[in-house]
Amino acid sequence: SYEVTQPPSVSVSPGQTATITCSGDELGDKYTCWYQQKPGQSPVLVIYQHNKRPSGIPERFSGSTSGNTATLTISGTQAMDEADYYCQAWDISTVLFGGGTKLTVL
Amino acid sequence: VQLVESGGGLVKPGGSLRLSCAASGFTFTNYNMNWVRQAPGKGLEWVSSITSRSGDKYYSNSVKGRFTISRDNAKESVYLEMNSLRADDTAVYYCARDADVGATDYFGMDVWGQGTTVTVSS
Repeated sequence: SYEVTQPPSVSVSPGQTATITCSGDELGDKYTCWYQQKPGQSPVLVIYQHNKRPSGIPERFSGSTSGNTATLTISGTQAMDEADYYCQAWDISTVLFGGGTKLTVL
Repeated sequence: VQLVESGGGLVKPGGSLRLSCAASGFTFTNYNMNWVRQAPGKGLEWVSSITSRSGDKYYSNSVKGRFTISRDNAKESVYLEMNSLRADDTAVYYCARDADVGATDYFGMDVWGQGTTVTVSS
């Protein structure tokens, strides 16, 4: 069965750049989205179609996909960005979330 | 724009439950609807989707044959009928929408409900 893999955790210092990866076979052939989830809250879409930001999402959030890897980049990371981040792969026959990455800002 | 889930609760293994999700503030028929669950302390797991136009239904392998998704466009609601429940179905169940932009495009799940908790235990 198809799988996408994320690192369980990433740490970053405030103001630095955080990078979270998501890997899967032929991931570049599928649409990739990213979701942010803070404790006790519902997920929030932060990136869709690999690199597009929904209205209201800060510019410091960006996405890219190359080959089998999608990347979420948070530039100038702030304390409020500490959360779990999930990638999601989609095509007509696939709807799949990665296992999630806990981003710690310290 | 809002999605409100209901119907969660405590059920014994082998039992059934019907979740509901009421939509408001947007044109319901322009959106596909999804159920996504999250077991305690775990990640997100896609459960099921139903398209807006044709009502095509899709299920994860873990629930196929046990769960049924449906929608009532007149009531602007989507449902998840869950049968033969097991302990590993215990989770918060979220309802989420994604824009119906055709079979070859995807804008992500941009609105989520607050979730409803399902606990399967004897």
